[in-house]
Amino acid sequence: GAVVSQHPSRVICKSGTSVKIECRSLDFQATTMFWYRQFPKQSLMLMATSNEGSKATYEQGVEKDKFLINHASLTLSTLTVTSAHPEDSSFYICSATAGGGSYNEQFFGPGTRLTVL
Amino acid sequence: AQSVTQPDIHITVSEGASLELRCNYSYGATPYLFWYVQSPGQGLQLLLKYFSGDTLVQGIKGFEAEFKRSQSSFNLRKPSVHWSDAAEYFCAVGAYGATNKLIFGTGTLLAVQP
Repeated sequence: GAVVSQHPSRVICKSGTSVKIECRSLDFQATTMFWYRQFPKQSLMLMATSNEGSKATYEQGVEKDKFLINHASLTLSTLTVTSAHPEDSSFYICSATAGGGSYNEQFFGPGTRLTVL
Repeated sequence: AQSVTQPDIHITVSEGASLELRCNYSYGATPYLFWYVQSPGQGLQLLLKYFSGDTLVQGIKGFEAEFKRSQSSFNLRKPSVHWSDAAEYFCAVGAYGATNKLIFGTGTLLAVQP
């Protein structure tokens, strides 16, 4: 149980275009989803936290107009990188929690490799 | 502020040797602590976690970790390393409250030599 998927696993796009990444909880309802960014050989940096049906909470320094997050249902959150530039190339990982406890374990997706040319 | 430090960026051990990966945290109360493993180009897999109770925690793949409050540490150990253990290992601390945020250390890259 507790499987999280991401789609696509890899995407290459041209500079100036927008890219959408999907994060799905396959066997549980995710009240909260998290989006992380990981640069090569570096740790995961939290970008934003999204709760189903409400606006995402972005971490300091993350441009909310550039990284649009939508958590439209309890099983799906999307991250759209708008007007992508080469510096947006990175590994994006989502995680999801089921909620209901004092601490809710995060289950991670396999990640999406974005390359902007 | 909460933080996690993994002092060793890269470690190489011989197959069959024991392993200890260090993790120190800064947190105002008893933290929730985690160790994750990441293979190249993959997401994160939870090895083990500490929430409360016994300070020696057993995880998957033969790993264990010990919570030492006095040292603010949560070191990961394995008595005998296998070549398949080569990967990146991340220690993380979980924040209390509704946010359930995780703060990650910078990671330790483990190489296993024959």
